[in-house]
Formats: sequence, C-alpha cells, structure tokens
Amino acid sequence: GNSVTQMEGPVTLSEEAFLTINCTYTATGYPSLFWYVQYPGEGLQLLLKATKADDKGSNKGFEATYRKETTSFHLEKGSVQVSDSAVYFCALSDHPNTGNQFYFGTGTSLTVIP
Amino acid sequence: DVKVTQSSRYLVKRTGEKVFLECVQDMDHENMFWYRQDPGLGLRLIYFSYDVKMKEKGDIPEGYSVSREKKERFSLILESASTNQTSMYLCASSLGTPDYEQYFGPGTRLTVT
Repeated sequence: GNSVTQMEGPVTLSEEAFLTINCTYTATGYPSLFWYVQYPGEGLQLLLKATKADDKGSNKGFEATYRKETTSFHLEKGSVQVSDSAVYFCALSDHPNTGNQFYFGTGTSLTVIP
Repeated sequence: DVKVTQSSRYLVKRTGEKVFLECVQDMDHENMFWYRQDPGLGLRLIYFSYDVKMKEKGDIPEGYSVSREKKERFSLILESASTNQTSMYLCASSLGTPDYEQYFGPGTRLTVT
C-alpha cells in the first residue's frame, strides 16, 4: 500500500540555521510527491512538488529532490527565518492507482527562534 | 486564485447533535475531500467525491456521511456528534488530471461537549 513517513518533531532551530526534514514513502506505482505547510491557525498550502524521479521542487528557499532509489523526498532550506515556523507535511499522490487520493505524513512542527 | 471556504472556523456542539460542515470551492474542481487533523496522527481522510452525487469512503468514515448535490459544495455530516469527533476538519479540492494538487480551506475547529 501507500504510506508516507516523516521525521517526528518538534524541531527547534535558531534563525539562519540549516533545515532538513526527512520524508520517505512507500507506493505501488510512480507517485507525485508534495510538501505542504500549515501556518498557525490556517489550512494547508502547497510549498513544492515533484512529479517524477530526480525532479527537484523548490519554492521560498525550500528544496526537495525526488529520489526513487531511496524512496525519499527530504525538505531542505539553507537559512531558516522566524516566519518559517509552521507544521510541514510530506504527501504523495499515486494516480492512477489510487485516483486523486493523497497520503500524508503525520507532520513535523518547526519553530525558529530569533 | 483557487479559494476553498468552510462555513465556520470554530464550532461547539453537544453530544448527540446533528452537525453540518460546509465546504465551497470556486474553481470548478472535480474532486473534493474531507479530512480530520489530530495531533500526532496527521491528516486522515474521511470521505471524498469525484463528481456530483458521487462519494467514496476514506480511511475513517465511521460516524460521518457526506453530500455533494452541486459541484462546488461538499458537506460533511456528523449524524450524532460524539466527544471523540472533537477535531480540526479540513476540506480540500483538486482539479484532477493533469494537476492533482489539493487546495485546502482554513479548517473548522469542532468541539463536542
């Protein structure tokens, strides 16, 4: 079946520190992979995505590379800011095997301190 | 911009009440989804719909039902609310082929007392 495993939090970093949030997946087909971010009191918003192996998604200084050989999609940012404090969710979509259904990780809470 | 709206941000209901959570999207998306979000459990899919009047069970449909009478509106119904249904409820929509990105509403924080 399909599943996503991401590192547990919470994660606390100082401003300008390097961020890595690990994400690995299991899928029956060739999934698309996503990172969503949830700021306090809000719904989820798409941060970045990759639709095939070796693709790199990037947005707002965040990057993640789709690694089929290690079934991973780790999120990285070189220098975090206080405004990056949020919960981050890794997700996969395994269309057409499972229609438009998404599979989400449990989320990783990030707090950035000044 | 795609907009997904949910009828309430916060809701307090009593045990045994029938509860309706409404979700509306304005981008003519085919697919709509209801999730609940709980600490340590992430997002769990309750129901989803691929078309008007179509519905499919997700991972945790027990105690819930849904209605999709119009393409833009997807309602989640708690037939008889219980305290273990206290949670954050998130609605999402997606276009489908070729773009499967899901767009989320702001969420409804439901408390059942």
